[in-house]
Amino acid sequence: DVKVTQSSRYLVKRTGEKVFLECVQDMDHENMFWYRQDPGLGLRLIYFSYDVKMKEKGDIPEGYSVSREKKERFSLILESASTNQTSMYLCASSDFTHEQYFGPGTRLTVT
Amino acid sequence: GENVEQHPSTLSVQEGDSAVIKCTYSDSASNYFPWYKQELGKRPQLIIDIRSNVGEKKDQRIAVTLNKTAKHFSLHITETQPEDSAVYFCAALDTGRRALTFGSGTRLQVQP
Repeated sequence: DVKVTQSSRYLVKRTGEKVFLECVQDMDHENMFWYRQDPGLGLRLIYFSYDVKMKEKGDIPEGYSVSREKKERFSLILESASTNQTSMYLCASSDFTHEQYFGPGTRLTVT
Repeated sequence: GENVEQHPSTLSVQEGDSAVIKCTYSDSASNYFPWYKQELGKRPQLIIDIRSNVGEKKDQRIAVTLNKTAKHFSLHITETQPEDSAVYFCAALDTGRRALTFGSGTRLQVQP
């Protein structure tokens, strides 16, 4: 079974703080993705990566950055958290078949 | 890039009835169309997918149909049960960037 884990289920941060969300997968997948999920908006792609050291902007990259130093780990960084970044963040991974497997999600609240 | 529209946003059916959720996509080169089910408080789980070389795929009570000419695909759930209650997302592969674009989701409520 594919296992995708995320560092925190719930996180509360203050406006202006730097926030790190980590995602680890154990299936040697090349591709990793970060989404945010908001009611009525579905899953919106923030950033994705095809390989180590590579990153591609998704549909809503503003205010976010990513890091992929190892194949199994993909980090999402909020350089200066703002209240409009309060959301559910989901990480996913896939191989060449494009079948994506999701992590449990991190509910981030920025106050 | 790819654009995916999903309808309806909410769907309520009686237990035992069928449910149909429809999606349209814009990228004519797209060749992979998965469906995910997300129960309350849980991660999205892949329930069925279809690739463009077939027009229909079934797995027990779930089926997906694909019309490439019209650029739409649908999820069909027969003999619905209360445990089918969840949010369902369709997606289509954006071939330009090799990433999925998701629909906005359908909240299905199966009334016992």
